[in-house]
Amino acid sequence: QLQLQESGPGLVKPSETLSLTCTVSGGSISSSSYYWGWIRQPPGKGLEWIGSIYYSGSTYYNPSLKSRVTISVDTSKNQFSLKLSSVTAADTAVYYCAIAGTTYAFDIWGQGTMVTVSS
Amino acid sequence: QSALTQPASVSGSPGQSITISCTGTSSDVGGYNYVSWYQQHPGKAPKLMIYDVSNRPSGVSNRFSGSKSGNTASLTISGLQAEDEADYYCSSYTSSSLDNYVFGTGTKVTVL
Repeated sequence: QLQLQESGPGLVKPSETLSLTCTVSGGSISSSSYYWGWIRQPPGKGLEWIGSIYYSGSTYYNPSLKSRVTISVDTSKNQFSLKLSSVTAADTAVYYCAIAGTTYAFDIWGQGTMVTVSS
Repeated sequence: QSALTQPASVSGSPGQSITISCTGTSSDVGGYNYVSWYQQHPGKAPKLMIYDVSNRPSGVSNRFSGSKSGNTASLTISGLQAEDEADYYCSSYTSSSLDNYVFGTGTKVTVL
C-alpha cells in the first residue's frame, strides 16, 4: 500500500515561494497511478483543489491559483512537488498531497503539513 | 471555478439515516459520473468514502451509499453511528475553464 509524506518549510515569508515535496513509499509512484494532486485547507475552512499532474505529464491547475502554481513529478525519486509563488497570508493552510489510482478520486492521502505565511 | 454546494450541517440520531446533497452544474456533477465523497475527522486527512458516484473503496462500510440525479449528487449514511460524526466533502471532475477538479463546500454531520 502506497504511503505519502509531505515535507517542506512550515513558515514562509510573504511574497516568497512556497515549496513542498510529497515522497511516496511502499511502491513506485509511476505504477498504477492515474494522477497526483495537491489540495489545501485553510484553518477552519474547506478543501481547495490546487492542481494535478497526470501520468502523461499534463498538468491542470485551479484557475484562481494558476498563475502562481507549478506541479512537477520526479519518478526517479518517487516524489512530486508543489511550488506556489508570491504567497500571502491567504495561502496559510494545511497542504495535502494525494494520489488518484484509477479514477477521478483521491484514494491515498498524505497526513498534511501546515504552512504559515508570515513575516 | 465555483465550489459545489453542500448544506453546512446535517444531524441525526444513532441508527437513523441521513442524506447530504451536493449541487453542481452540467460541467461537473451533471456531466460526468466522477463524483466522489470524502470523510474528514478533526485534525485528520480526508478519507475517500465513495467514488464514481456510487462505488465504495475496499474497507468502507456499506452503510455509506452514493447516488446522482441531474446536477445533484447525494451521500446517504444509514444506521448512523457516533464515529460517523465528521465533515464530509463531495468532489467532481469538471470540464469548465480547463480545470480538472472541484470540491464541495463541506457538510458537518452531527450525531445527536
